[in-house]
Amino acid sequence: DTGVSQDPRHKITKRGQNVTFRCDPISEHNRLYWYRQTLGQGPEFLTYFQNEAQLEKSRLLSDRFSAERPKGSFSTLEIQRTEQGDSAMYLCASSLEAHSPIDTLHFGNGTRLTVT
Amino acid sequence: AQSVTQLGSHVSVSEGALVLLRCNYSSSVPPYLFWYVQYPNQGLQLLLKYTTGATLVKGINGFEAEFKKSETSFHLTKPSAHMSDAAEYFCAVRVSGGSYIPTFGRGTSLIVHP
Repeated sequence: DTGVSQDPRHKITKRGQNVTFRCDPISEHNRLYWYRQTLGQGPEFLTYFQNEAQLEKSRLLSDRFSAERPKGSFSTLEIQRTEQGDSAMYLCASSLEAHSPIDTLHFGNGTRLTVT
Repeated sequence: AQSVTQLGSHVSVSEGALVLLRCNYSSSVPPYLFWYVQYPNQGLQLLLKYTTGATLVKGINGFEAEFKKSETSFHLTKPSAHMSDAAEYFCAVRVSGGSYIPTFGRGTSLIVHP
């Protein structure tokens, strides 16, 4: 169990640029979640995948955001035309069970995005 | 809809003192409740969880929490704080019958003074 890995750890970009983050979940975990965390707030749900299928997206996920999980392994989160309000920590988590409310979410260390 | 409220964005205690972090939930169906801890520049780590059965749940690092349905609460406690407990603590709720997406509270920052 090598844990959930996120890359990069930090990203500084200029407003209007596109950015892409990667998440490698724990191997064989079915579910993969993306959350956003701003200063002084708890993680806010963005979207989740069950294997390769994206099953739910939050209203927080505007049209500028897109996520993929090809082949049900790693996932990418892309933000197009970044805005200063996108500055946050983006957290990825994975869990083993597809239909269990009690399985543990394993979080990565996050990608901190700063939009200047 | 499910939600959690964490009372107090910051809690300050002396080393060796009791730690009490408050969490109240709102759910129309029986909830599953979790406490996570986040150390600086790290992801969240599960401390403990309540599913069914015993209402007093023990977790890692000496923490425990008690599910009280009548009070819709799931407060986190530790008898004696240690400097290494300084971190951000998040309460979360999941409910059955849906997609089981966890909803997190805003977090409580625990400050431990020597």
